[in-house]
Amino acid sequence: KNQVEQSPQSLIILEGKNCTLQCNYTVSPFSNLRWYKQDTGRGPVSLTIMTFSENTKSNGRYTATLDADTKQSSLHITASQLSDSASYICVVSGLKTSYDKVIFGPGTSLSVIP
Amino acid sequence: NAGVTQTPKFRILKIGQSMTLQCTQDMNHNYMYWYRQDPGMGLKLIYYSVGAGITDKGEVPNGYNVSRSTTEDFPLRLELAAPSQTSVYFCASSPLGTAIQYFGAGTRLSVL
Repeated sequence: KNQVEQSPQSLIILEGKNCTLQCNYTVSPFSNLRWYKQDTGRGPVSLTIMTFSENTKSNGRYTATLDADTKQSSLHITASQLSDSASYICVVSGLKTSYDKVIFGPGTSLSVIP
Repeated sequence: NAGVTQTPKFRILKIGQSMTLQCTQDMNHNYMYWYRQDPGMGLKLIYYSVGAGITDKGEVPNGYNVSRSTTEDFPLRLELAAPSQTSVYFCASSPLGTAIQYFGAGTRLSVL
């Protein structure tokens, strides 16, 4: 069964610290993996997108890595800010032309405190 | 610079009532989607559309209907609302040739 799992479920860190969020997936075949940020009461916003041939992708203080062999991805946040408090969702797409073969993870809830 | 607009933002329905969730996008995207998000769960695809006049079922279509008469609009219809349809509903769109989806702010629906 195609699944996307994320860990930890929730995380609290101090402002200025770094953190890493994990995503494991069993989706096959694999087309691409995306990380989204979802602020409370808002829709998800895309942070990064990686295909199977890409190992890393950065967007400012956000860096995503992908290991297609082990089916794992991570999102590293550097020098966290209060505005980073949000849910981070890992999304994995199967066949490129199958728009319904998109699996959303449950998200990791990040709280950045002063 | 509107992007994807959903209305209403909040709604309370009684069991058995019907309603339409509106979604419109001004980016001329071919693809549009409806998802529901339940607490602690990943978004689930209800319906999607690859262009005007073309719609298809997603993972959880039962109890919902959609139409796509124009590129801009993709309304979601709930017939005979049930408590199991209490959720947050998100509409999204994406342009041809990319997997990046742009989401609306969501509609929070409670069925009591």
